[in-house]
Amino acid sequence: DQQVKQNSPSLSVQEGRISILNCDYTNSMFDYFLWYKKYPAEGPTFLISISSIKDKNEDGRFTVFLNKSAKHLSLHIVPSQPGDSAVYFCAASLNRDDKIIFGKGTRLHILP
Amino acid sequence: EPEVTQTPSHQVTQMGQEVILRCVPISNHLYFYWYRQILGQKVEFLVSFYNNEISEKSEIFDDQFSVERPDGSNFTLKIRSTKLEDSAMYFCASSPKGQFYGYTFGSGTRLTVV
Repeated sequence: DQQVKQNSPSLSVQEGRISILNCDYTNSMFDYFLWYKKYPAEGPTFLISISSIKDKNEDGRFTVFLNKSAKHLSLHIVPSQPGDSAVYFCAASLNRDDKIIFGKGTRLHILP
Repeated sequence: EPEVTQTPSHQVTQMGQEVILRCVPISNHLYFYWYRQILGQKVEFLVSFYNNEISEKSEIFDDQFSVERPDGSNFTLKIRSTKLEDSAMYFCASSPKGQFYGYTFGSGTRLTVV
């Protein structure tokens, strides 16, 4: 049962352009959403989160948008840099103390 | 910057053997977790641990698995009788107060069961 879905296994974006990573979820009870970034041979690294009471959260080059009615969130990276090449995991949880449920990840390639 | 440390980085074991995966969470964190990622699949929740007891566990976390915080600093995951399908990356994570602050993950232990 995939409660958090990342339908694009990979994405290639030109350096300097915008990267948009998408995520859908099925459980309307999810209250918190997070994005994690993972390099090979490392653990996932927390990137940015958003509470369900918001529709946008911005942190530097990273912005997460939440559309609760569509059960969809997206991560925008502007401008994309070579160091952004990694696997990005979308994640969600029922509340701030509950376990995180991850999607399968999207591998982002930033092209020179 | 504080980090979660996992040892070993790679463990090869024979099917049926017991393995213990070790983790040192960040010292002032209160919540501890184990996740695993089978190659090419999603990161899956195994167990969460708070106040010296399991707070939640997944269906994967059956009687073969156990966790312990033996000395106030280490957090271990034991698999009693490993199966081939236990081969995965196992990630330990800790957080100061619930996940909203974002877990800090360790670099993982790659377990290979042969």
